[in-house]
Amino acid sequence: GQNIDQPTEMTATEGAIVQINCTYQTSGFNGLFWYQQHAGEAPTFLSYNVLDGLEEKGRFSSFLSRSKGYSYLLLKELQMKDSASYLCAVGLTGANNLFFGTGTRLTVIP
Amino acid sequence: DVKVTQSSRYLVKRTGEKVFLECVQDMDHENMFWYRQDPGLGLRLIYFSYDVKMKEKGDIPEGYSVSREKKERFSLILESASTNQTSMYLCASSFEGVRTEAFFGQGTRLTVV
Repeated sequence: GQNIDQPTEMTATEGAIVQINCTYQTSGFNGLFWYQQHAGEAPTFLSYNVLDGLEEKGRFSSFLSRSKGYSYLLLKELQMKDSASYLCAVGLTGANNLFFGTGTRLTVIP
Repeated sequence: DVKVTQSSRYLVKRTGEKVFLECVQDMDHENMFWYRQDPGLGLRLIYFSYDVKMKEKGDIPEGYSVSREKKERFSLILESASTNQTSMYLCASSFEGVRTEAFFGQGTRLTVV
């Protein structure tokens, strides 16, 4: 079976740094994706990791450790517009699709 | 810009009705997906298609069917709508292979009464 764990909710202060963790146990692995979803809107792609290490893209970075089944999304210099749900998803080998976690709802407060 | 368009943003149907949800993408993507999103359960895959007339069951296909007669269009069909199918339905598309990002439509909020 497939399983992805991520915290349900997090709160952080504007200007701060927040780390959203994701652990996964899947029958196959073909990369880990992070998506952002604002309330009432479609998910949008943030990052993709297939090799171990850190990928940086502006204020957002994503880390992967395949041996530990672990990833995190790091958001720096938080802005109010970063309030959203962050979805961790694993690409499944042989299945040509993504398996999603339940998402972490981040609230940024002034 | 990639565009994935779902036919309705909000839909209210009666129990037992046959419901069609339409999705069109304009990027010539091979893969198309239907998910439903429920609080506390995240996105769950209903069906996906990797080519015209091809379909694969996802994690929760019961009570649903799909149709892909043209590459750009993927339809989700609820044969006989039930109240437990009240949900947000999201369509997505991507290029061939799982290592490519998926682009999502805006979603259809379906309420079955």
